[in-house]
Amino acid sequence: AAGVIQSPRHLIKEKRETATLKCYPIPRHDTVYWYQQGPGQDPQFLISFYEKMQSDKGSIPDRFSAQQFSDYHSELNMSSLELGDSALYFCASSFRQGTEAFFGQGTRLTVV
Amino acid sequence: AQSVAQPEDQVNVAEGNPLTVKCTYSVSGNPYLFWYVQYPNRGLQFLLKYITGDNLVKGSYGFEAEFNKSQTSFHLKKPSALVSDSALYFCAVRALSRDDKIIFGKGTRLHILP
Repeated sequence: AAGVIQSPRHLIKEKRETATLKCYPIPRHDTVYWYQQGPGQDPQFLISFYEKMQSDKGSIPDRFSAQQFSDYHSELNMSSLELGDSALYFCASSFRQGTEAFFGQGTRLTVV
Repeated sequence: AQSVAQPEDQVNVAEGNPLTVKCTYSVSGNPYLFWYVQYPNRGLQFLLKYITGDNLVKGSYGFEAEFNKSQTSFHLKKPSALVSDSALYFCAVRALSRDDKIIFGKGTRLHILP
């Protein structure tokens, strides 16, 4: 069965650079979530989209932005990267009226 | 606001023994409750969920969880632990509302001792 696809799997950036993370949800899922997981931490909710519209916002820095496109894939754009942005970034998808969300393998971002 | 508490950072269990990983939740209204497992450098894998109905739900890899509304708990259980069950386990809650994000607990690291 198709799963949530994230790219790239690993990314190394320098401070003050920009990064773009991509997420391709499970086909027909209408909701996409982004989470950030720091080392030894639980996943922190960043932002979600339902039918290409932002539906909820969590602890996402103003330096980050995200959108969902017409084909339902989503991108998380991160600017002015800081060392503290180094983390595992997960995308997940689900049905809005459904229950569980399915997670991708994550993108490991390292800011140096 | 919804929240999840996992009171134990780490649980150690001998292989073959039963295991329990504890979780309590706080949410307005009826919750959706989940358990996810994370292996090193891997994504979060869905284990099981409680939506409604029978308080004992069964999931993947022989895991089950018991929903207790009066105690607002959703403990993860397995009758006989395997070394391969060693991983990080997250309890999560999703409220049935417009604000539908999934909130995770801090996680419990499960060590199964051979």
